[in-house]
Amino acid sequence: QVQLVQSGAEVRKPGASVKVSCKASGYTFTNYDINWVRQATGQGLEWMGWMNPNSGNTGIAKKFQGRVTMTRKTSISAAYMELSSLKSEDTAVYYCARGTRYSLSYYYWGQGTLVTVSS
Amino acid sequence: EIVLTQSPGTLSLSPGERATLSCRASQSVSSSFLAWYQQKPGQAPRLLIYGASSRATGIPDRFSGSGSGTDFTLTISRLEPEDFAVYYCQQYGSSFTFGPGTKVDIK
Repeated sequence: QVQLVQSGAEVRKPGASVKVSCKASGYTFTNYDINWVRQATGQGLEWMGWMNPNSGNTGIAKKFQGRVTMTRKTSISAAYMELSSLKSEDTAVYYCARGTRYSLSYYYWGQGTLVTVSS
Repeated sequence: EIVLTQSPGTLSLSPGERATLSCRASQSVSSSFLAWYQQKPGQAPRLLIYGASSRATGIPDRFSGSGSGTDFTLTISRLEPEDFAVYYCQQYGSSFTFGPGTKVDIK
């Protein structure tokens, strides 16, 4: 069965960077884009960007351009999202997600990674 | 960027009642690339509807989606206790954006 398993919670100081991983299993990793979505506590869902694991091509939401880098390591079926210049407003749960062969909407989700930015 | 607006912000209903949630887009959503998600506290969102009206695998038929262009609706025909949650729409026809959500709570 398809699984997306994310790395554990992180605490960072303002100005630092954080790298969250998303390890895929149960399917051919390079066949589906990996998307990243975040959610601040009590707030809605915010799309951050997508990455094609086959080509490495990415599409980053305007708000995050210059601060977000999405990469992958195909040998271990892992995707990564790195967010730099962290601010307290970046405190959120970060999710990876992917679609299916029927739709780009997100049927499969990781369990989420809480990133806390605090001095 | 396509902006999605959801209404109402909160819907207070009783189990067994019908829920009608609205999602309006700032411009037409191509090919009805509109999805609905359900999210409960502490959980990742769950895909309910894609392509505006197709139910995702495993979703009960009390959930239905309709609409096209800029106006979309999620209907829950008879609310079950487990349906009280927050619902988000998402468009994926032009990049990706989410609506702000509608909370369905118990009256």
